[in-house]
Amino acid sequence: NAGVTQTPKFRVLKTGQSMTLLCAQDMNHEYMYWYRQDPGMGLRLIHYSVGEGTTAKGEVPDGYNVSRLKKQNFLLGLESAAPSQTSVYFCATRGGSRANTEAFFGQGTRLTVV
Amino acid sequence: GENVEQHPSTLSVQEGDSAVIKCTYSDSASNYFPWYKQELGKGPQLIIDIRSNVGEKKDQRIAVTLNKTAKHFSLHITETQPEDSAVYFCAASKGFQKLVFGTGTRLLVSP
Repeated sequence: NAGVTQTPKFRVLKTGQSMTLLCAQDMNHEYMYWYRQDPGMGLRLIHYSVGEGTTAKGEVPDGYNVSRLKKQNFLLGLESAAPSQTSVYFCATRGGSRANTEAFFGQGTRLTVV
Repeated sequence: GENVEQHPSTLSVQEGDSAVIKCTYSDSASNYFPWYKQELGKGPQLIIDIRSNVGEKKDQRIAVTLNKTAKHFSLHITETQPEDSAVYFCAASKGFQKLVFGTGTRLLVSP
């Protein structure tokens, strides 16, 4: 039972390159989220999904795209990376029969864009 | 949308002292208020949460209080230990909607 697994853990990109971050969960949770964490700014929501096949924009969606083709996976794509996207990215999931439940986070992906 | 403010941004205490971190939220419909602890190089982990029908909740050395009228909630850590040193985040949400986080408090507990 791995919980929430993010791939890769570290990545260095050149400006203009593209990449996809993968979040995989084995908790059967409906709700999945992508956050970015920057010094002094806390965790800001990029995109989220309330179920398989659905996605929605968060606070800072520009420059990112997401897909939720399977319930257990939530992909975050950067089409043309920019230095401003240098950050630590966290995936989180929530679920269960009761609303207002704990969010479980992955270990994070540290992305540097040069 | 919801906005969560968190203070202080850094907090230094001596081992054995108490630490208090405060958050305010803007959306009166928010009804779930978790606190997360993040250790270096790891993802945030839930340490305690409170729902809007409760005013206070305790778990050993950790307690959270909620004042719905004033729209603020606080984390209290008593008898602090060096292993309490970490970054703490408050958050607010409604149901399964997105969790909105505060900007974090770096707590340093000196032996």
